[in-house]
Amino acid sequence: DSGVTQTPKHLITATGQRVTLRCSPRSGDLSVYWYQQSLDQGLQFLIQYYNGEERAKGNILERFSAQQFPDLHSELNLSSLELGDSALYFCASSYQIGPPGGNEQFFGPGTRLTVL
Amino acid sequence: AQKITQTQPGMFVQEKEAVTLDCTYDTSDQSYGLFWYKQPSSGEMIFLIYQGSYDEQNATEGRYSLNFQKARKSANLVISASQLGDSAMYFCSTLFNFNKFYFGSGTKLNVKP
Repeated sequence: DSGVTQTPKHLITATGQRVTLRCSPRSGDLSVYWYQQSLDQGLQFLIQYYNGEERAKGNILERFSAQQFPDLHSELNLSSLELGDSALYFCASSYQIGPPGGNEQFFGPGTRLTVL
Repeated sequence: AQKITQTQPGMFVQEKEAVTLDCTYDTSDQSYGLFWYKQPSSGEMIFLIYQGSYDEQNATEGRYSLNFQKARKSANLVISASQLGDSAMYFCSTLFNFNKFYFGSGTKLNVKP
């Protein structure tokens, strides 16, 4: 158990809908990352938050947004869903940013999103 | 530009033998980090080992060691005495500019009994 929790574990929805994925980082970790893993795209970094502020953006679509709350949990919002958004969405946390040491990420179990 | 490369989509190794999974990267940064993760068929991602670019010694964690060759920009993972439970996808990851993470495409390792 990595200490990172994600809910829900599975989500099935229809095209055009909006969903929210939730992540709670490990105790003490201030940094949260979101990733999308699909068969054709591999593991894609979406976005990173540190202590409530956005720190880095990867391949995140404009239809997607995220935020980190004062209690450090994070939510990833996916809207106007398309079939191609079906994927495993991971949240990860680490305890620092900056120097590379201490940035090993601990991953949650993932949310499997299926868009029908 | 591609930042990190894993050239072995799949590999087989006999149980109890050692195996090396390749990873090369491209950066002009002086300070960066290299990480390896394991993803079993159950889907979770598990951190295995970390190497800093300024670390003079290769990192080791139990049966895992990282063969770091800075001049060649390679960070190969060596698993000694393979076990059946080592069968999984393995991802190499790098941290550049203190906030940019990149993952390789992964290597699927199969350990044969």
